[in-house]
Amino acid sequence: DAGVTQSPTHLIKTRGQQVTLRCSPKSGHDTVSWYQQALGQGPQFIFQYYEEEERQRGNFPDRFSGHQFPNYSSELNVNALLLGDSALYLCASSWGTGAQAGYTFGSGTRLTVV
Amino acid sequence: SQQGEEDPQALSIQEGENATMNCSYKTSINNLQWYRQNSGRGLVHLILIRSNEREKHSGRLRVTLDTSKKSSSLLITASRAADTASYFCATDMIKAAGNKLTFGGGTRVLVKP
Repeated sequence: DAGVTQSPTHLIKTRGQQVTLRCSPKSGHDTVSWYQQALGQGPQFIFQYYEEEERQRGNFPDRFSGHQFPNYSSELNVNALLLGDSALYLCASSWGTGAQAGYTFGSGTRLTVV
Repeated sequence: SQQGEEDPQALSIQEGENATMNCSYKTSINNLQWYRQNSGRGLVHLILIRSNEREKHSGRLRVTLDTSKKSSSLLITASRAADTASYFCATDMIKAAGNKLTFGGGTRVLVKP
């Protein structure tokens, strides 16, 4: 049973560029959430997608946008990259709110902005 | 901003000893979850405790929740070298418009063989 799959695993981008990260949720899960984790810190919530709509958003600028597809997979887009966007980006999937069994996280995409 | 604060920030113990870490949070919650992270990789869900529960066990893990003090603790008994990881508590507040996990800064646990 495949868990959450994220691609790519590592990425190096130049300041000002745009990046797209991808996530395939665990089989049976319909909700996808994205988190940003800076080195040495806990993950920070970016946004959550359900039924192809952004259901809730954290304190991130509009440069961060996302999308969920009919097969529940999701993309995270970041425009006009800043050095401070360097982080581990984690995708988490759940069935509904995850209140019963928690979330399943992917291994993350390590983004380095130079 | 981070809802939870873990204590201690780092913990070093010998294999076989117990490891205890604490988490405090600020607002009302629906549930509290603990996750483990190895070397900056993905998070692994360990245990979920609901706001109306006080204690929960899973294998060598024991979690307590005190909603009056807005705090939780995670106990790992008979630790193993493989338990070396960062441990995060995360609070979950479920609203009609969805929910999100709010993580603390984590406790870095080193289990020495």
